Amino acid sequence: AQKVTQAQTEISVVEKEDVTLDCVYETRDTTYYLFWYKQPPSGELVFLIRRNSFDEQNEISGRYSWNFQKSTSSFNFTITASQVVDSAVYFCALSEIKAAGNKLTFGGGTRVLVKP
Amino acid sequence: EPEVTQTPSHQVTQMGQEVILRCVPISNHLYFYWYRQILGQKVEFLVSFYNNEISEKSEIFDDQFSVERPDGSNFTLKIRSTKLEDSAMYFCASTPGLAQETQYFGPGTRLLVL
Repeated sequence: AQKVTQAQTEISVVEKEDVTLDCVYETRDTTYYLFWYKQPPSGELVFLIRRNSFDEQNEISGRYSWNFQKSTSSFNFTITASQVVDSAVYFCALSEIKAAGNKLTFGGGTRVLVKP
Repeated sequence: EPEVTQTPSHQVTQMGQEVILRCVPISNHLYFYWYRQILGQKVEFLVSFYNNEISEKSEIFDDQFSVERPDGSNFTLKIRSTKLEDSAMYFCASTPGLAQETQYFGPGTRLLVL
């Protein structure tokens, strides 16, 4: 069975600090996708990034970057120069790849509070 | 940009009543999902739907739950006899033709069962 663990329940930083969110996953599949979603106080789930299991190249997208290490089953996410609007709950998620549809398995979320 | 929409945004119901939560997926998408999030907890998969049938369901999705795509645009989740523990945010999501595409979520329906 799939499992996603986000050990950090809450992180508090001051604006402009960098924030790194940890995510560790378990799956028996060799091919899968990893995601980060943001849930602001308004409650919706906003897609941030996706990475597939056969591409370990780490990238930067604006103020977001991620570090995918298959050897340690980790998919960490960094917000550079945090802003107050980054305050939200961030969820890491894993999906198998199936022909008839995938389900996302979410971690427990990390609440990020960015103080001005 | 196309979005997944959900109605109502909030619903309050009495225990034992039936509720229908509605979703309009993005128009060219073929795979549909329901998830729920109990307050303060993680998002949990309920069911996936493809080609007019359920493709996978979780242990949460028992006989009290059903899904339907009645008219080619709406995707509904029905709870036949609500329980207090059904109080949660319910999210609908959809993906295009390829199953491994990113799931885009609707804004959610907050259900409160009294």
